[in-house]
Amino acid sequence: GIQVEQSPPDLILQEGANSTLRCNFSDSVNNLQWFHQNPWGQLINLFYIPSGTKQNGRLSATTVATERYSLLYISSSQTTDSGVYFCAVGDSGGYQKVTFGTGTKLQVIP
Amino acid sequence: NAGVMQNPRHLVRRRGQEARLRCSPMKGHSHVYWYRQLPEEGLKFMVYLQKENIIDESGMPKERFSAEFPKEGPSILRIQQVVRGDSAAYFCASSPRGGGGGSSPYEQYFGPGTRLTVT
Repeated sequence: GIQVEQSPPDLILQEGANSTLRCNFSDSVNNLQWFHQNPWGQLINLFYIPSGTKQNGRLSATTVATERYSLLYISSSQTTDSGVYFCAVGDSGGYQKVTFGTGTKLQVIP
Repeated sequence: NAGVMQNPRHLVRRRGQEARLRCSPMKGHSHVYWYRQLPEEGLKFMVYLQKENIIDESGMPKERFSAEFPKEGPSILRIQQVVRGDSAAYFCASSPRGGGGGSSPYEQYFGPGTRLTVT
């Protein structure tokens, strides 16, 4: 099956700093989503981005499908950004079973 | 506009008991997926269902686990004779449709999860 790797595994930021999270995948995809799992365990949809670039407030994401990676940018980080960020991809098969990466654990300190 | 609903949010079972987890997809969504998250790990796919059909159960353990999505009512994930290793968070997701192509209809929306603890 498709392999999904995320980096870095852990990240500590000072409040206000910017960061880039990376997701590499091993095969063609037609579904790529970024999620934020907050400290209470809730999964929040950030972006549906199988290709191209999207922005939502302080967050933006870019997927370069031909090179099999996606990036999530967090600008002016806040303590509420803390949690685990997951990339999940669906391959080009007949349906949308998604495979999750192992996540990037982000801690934003005041 | 309710999102994906799961209940119960927390479930405690003794070894050997049965656990039933329920998932109501978002309105207008006919595809349901179950995932399991062990502590400190990512989510792992278990099963994909449409109404009255299991489409892919390749991630389900062969024994003790079953899932259904009846014509009426929520999807149910059932775990029989639970063991301590079943302790995990179980997430349900829904999408409007699955299969082929690529656009936002395939985006999955997740419920809050059910945290199962087996004592």
